[in-house]
Amino acid sequence: AQSVTQPDIHITVSEGASLELRCNYSYGATPYLFWYVQSPGQGLQLLLKYFSGDTLVQGIKGFEAEFKRSQSSFNLRKPSVHWSDAAEYFCAVGASFGNEKLTFGTGTRLTIIP
Amino acid sequence: ETGVTQSPTHLIKTRGQQVTLRCSSQSGHNTVSWYQQALGQGPQFIFQYYREEENGRGNFPPRFSGLQFPNYSSELNVNALELDDSALYLCASSLEGRGKKETQYFGPGTRLLVL
Repeated sequence: AQSVTQPDIHITVSEGASLELRCNYSYGATPYLFWYVQSPGQGLQLLLKYFSGDTLVQGIKGFEAEFKRSQSSFNLRKPSVHWSDAAEYFCAVGASFGNEKLTFGTGTRLTIIP
Repeated sequence: ETGVTQSPTHLIKTRGQQVTLRCSSQSGHNTVSWYQQALGQGPQFIFQYYREEENGRGNFPPRFSGLQFPNYSSELNVNALELDDSALYLCASSLEGRGKKETQYFGPGTRLLVL
């Protein structure tokens, strides 16, 4: 069974500082990996996705993520956070083919301090 | 904006009642998935519909049922509501075919409160 672990429940970062959110997955085959962001009371917005190819993936809003198969990780990074980045971030894994479900982690809540 | 819409935005029901939530997929998408997101949790997969047929189901009881219509809009029905059904219900649409995974785009959700 596929699973996702986001070990950090809550992270606080100063505005302008760098950010890294951790994601570890468990999946028997080649995974499809996603990062979504959710603002309070809102749905999920796709930040970036990894299907294949270059293991460093660029997304929207200046985010990037790196797929490391040997570590079963897909960590999200941003070099300089903005106050508007405060939100809940979810990592998700899906099968590499077919119409299968996404499995989400429990999320990391990001707080930005001035 | 993903082009996926859901209605209603908020809903209050009492235990034992039935509820229907609606989702309009992004234009051209043939697959819809429904997720339940309890407070403080990540979304949990309920089921998926592909071309009007159920195409996978998560660990949810049969009182959770769905429909997908020819125009690819969808409904989630929950019978005999329980307090634990209180959650944000998200639908996601995608274009699936040829065994190739495509990105799911999420709607804003319907927040259901069961009293």
